[in-house]
Amino acid sequence: NAGVMQNPRHLVRRRGQEARLRCSPMKGHSHVYWYRQLPEEGLKFMVYLQKENIIDESGMPKERFSAEFPKEGPSILRIQQVVRGDSAAYFCASSPPVRFEQYFGPGTRLTVT
Amino acid sequence: EDQVTQSPEALRLQEGESSSLNCSYTVSGLRGLFWYRQDPGKGPEFLFTLYSAGEEKEKERLKATLTKKESFLHITAPKPEDSATYLCAVQATGGYNKLIFGAGTRLAVHP
Repeated sequence: NAGVMQNPRHLVRRRGQEARLRCSPMKGHSHVYWYRQLPEEGLKFMVYLQKENIIDESGMPKERFSAEFPKEGPSILRIQQVVRGDSAAYFCASSPPVRFEQYFGPGTRLTVT
Repeated sequence: EDQVTQSPEALRLQEGESSSLNCSYTVSGLRGLFWYRQDPGKGPEFLFTLYSAGEEKEKERLKATLTKKESFLHITAPKPEDSATYLCAVQATGGYNKLIFGAGTRLAVHP
């Protein structure tokens, strides 16, 4: 059973460009979460999605960040007009419908130059 | 505000030297407390979920316990391969499913 998959694993963007991070949950998991880990800081919740629905986006910055989990295909975290402060590791996690533990992917390390 | 505090920040042990990591939490209502292990450059690996005070879970050299205010991760006779950052997180009732993480404890086990 494949784990949570994220791609790309490393992404370099110049200031002002767009970053698109992809996440495929574990088989049978319908809940997807995105977390951000800034250098020397802990993991911070960003957004919780189910298929075609955003359930909780209380941790998402108000501007430039968006997330989706379409009916078909992976979940996408999109960052528009990236700035240096967006440099971080972005982790996706998934959970099955009736359990609470979350399983994490390997992360995407975003570097903004 | 829901909060998780882990101590110590870093811990150095000799192989075979048992110890405990602490996770203190304040939360409006606890749905679950989670322990993860994170190796450098990798995603957190799920270890345990604890739901109620008095509950204990074990896996190899690790044992997690829970009280109403804190959780302990006991490491018995650690080996160098146990070296990692151990993360504690809580999930609050009414907070949908988001996890609130502590800053972690960096454990180094030396032969």
